[in-house]
Amino acid sequence: GNSVTQMEGPVTLSEEAFLTINCTYTATGYPSLFWYVQYPGEGLQLLLKATKADDKGSNKGFEATYRKETTSFHLEKGSVQVSDSAVYFCALRDFDFGNEKLTFGTGTRLTIIP
Amino acid sequence: DARVTQTPRHKVTEMGQEVTMRCQPILGHNTVFWYRQTMMQGLELLAYFRNRAPLDDSGMPKDRFSAEMPDATLATLKIQPSEPRDSAVYFCASGLPRRDRGTQYFGPGTRLLVL
Repeated sequence: GNSVTQMEGPVTLSEEAFLTINCTYTATGYPSLFWYVQYPGEGLQLLLKATKADDKGSNKGFEATYRKETTSFHLEKGSVQVSDSAVYFCALRDFDFGNEKLTFGTGTRLTIIP
Repeated sequence: DARVTQTPRHKVTEMGQEVTMRCQPILGHNTVFWYRQTMMQGLELLAYFRNRAPLDDSGMPKDRFSAEMPDATLATLKIQPSEPRDSAVYFCASGLPRRDRGTQYFGPGTRLLVL
């Protein structure tokens, strides 16, 4: 079956540091991959996505590249801000018309200190 | 800016009471999902619908939970009777998977506390 493995948190960084949150996946087909972000007290928001191998998703300074050979979709940002403090979820949707579900990782809590 | 809306945003109730949560999906989205989030279990899919028909409710405790879509603009999740272990944040999400490659758009959640 499908699964998503995320880097264990919590992660604490200083402002302007470089961020990487690792995500690897197992899927039976050719999945779409997503990063969602959840700010305190809010719902999940789509941060970025990639739908095929070698695609790069990007938004708000965050990037992730769909690597089929390593089954990975690591999230990166060159210089984090205090406002990036949140929980980040990696997710996949297998390309199967009969299955609309997203498979989520367990989430990585990120705290940025000034 | 189209959004998923959920009501109520917060609910405190006593054990044994009925709880009804409502969700208005983004107009035009044909797939609706219900999730539950707790610290211990994380994010769990309870049920989902496509074109108002239930497709999968295997994540839902059948004896006390029920989910329906009376029309395309309203999804409901009911708990009867509620128990303290149902305390959680319940999220609704909607999407148009075949056009948007599976992207789901989440509402702000209903924070439920059962005393």
